[in-house]
Amino acid sequence: NAGVTQTPKFRILKIGQSMTLQCTQDMNHNYMYWYRQDPGMGLKLIYYSVGAGITDKGEVPNGYNVSRSTTEDFPLRLELAAPSQTSVYFCASSPPGGRRETQYFGPGTRLLVL
Amino acid sequence: GQQVMQIPQYQHVQEGEDFTTYCNSSTTLSNIQWYKQRPGGHPVFLIQLVKSGEVKKQKRLTFQFGEAKKNSSLHITATQTTDVGTYFCAGLRTQGGSEKLVFGKGTKLTVNP
Repeated sequence: NAGVTQTPKFRILKIGQSMTLQCTQDMNHNYMYWYRQDPGMGLKLIYYSVGAGITDKGEVPNGYNVSRSTTEDFPLRLELAAPSQTSVYFCASSPPGGRRETQYFGPGTRLLVL
Repeated sequence: GQQVMQIPQYQHVQEGEDFTTYCNSSTTLSNIQWYKQRPGGHPVFLIQLVKSGEVKKQKRLTFQFGEAKKNSSLHITATQTTDVGTYFCAGLRTQGGSEKLVFGKGTKLTVNP
């Protein structure tokens, strides 16, 4: 199993541009999550999904959108990039039991908005 | 605001010294998870504690969950350079029928060989 994979690894965006961060897991996990990690800070939950077709907001959803059309994929969309969205983005998944279970993290996407 | 406080934020030790990081919550937690993130890497699950007063060991690492299930600690005995990284706790809170996993800000450990 590849686990959780994320693309791209690194991206520079100009203010106002849009992009999609890709996340795929091959562990057949129901739960998937998007976090952002700012320097010296913990992980903040952006959005999560409990299964295909179901998504919900986390702590910091503003400026982001998600979709979950399949069990495997959980893309994160930035519509109008802002400097405040400069961060490292981690996708994670967990088996049934959700947050009571181990979260498996992807390698992350480093995003710089200039 | 931050609901799970983790201290210290940074810790620098000489190789062979012990290291402890503490995690405190203002509310009771259903469980607590610990993760390690190597520099430039992603968080990797270490352990989960569920029961009040639970103690678990992984080689040189000892994890404790407080009796009130509001605090936890991770202790590393005789640190090695391979222990370098940031250690995060994540507390599971149940609120209004929903569960929320809240991460601490982490303790960054550096080890001087």
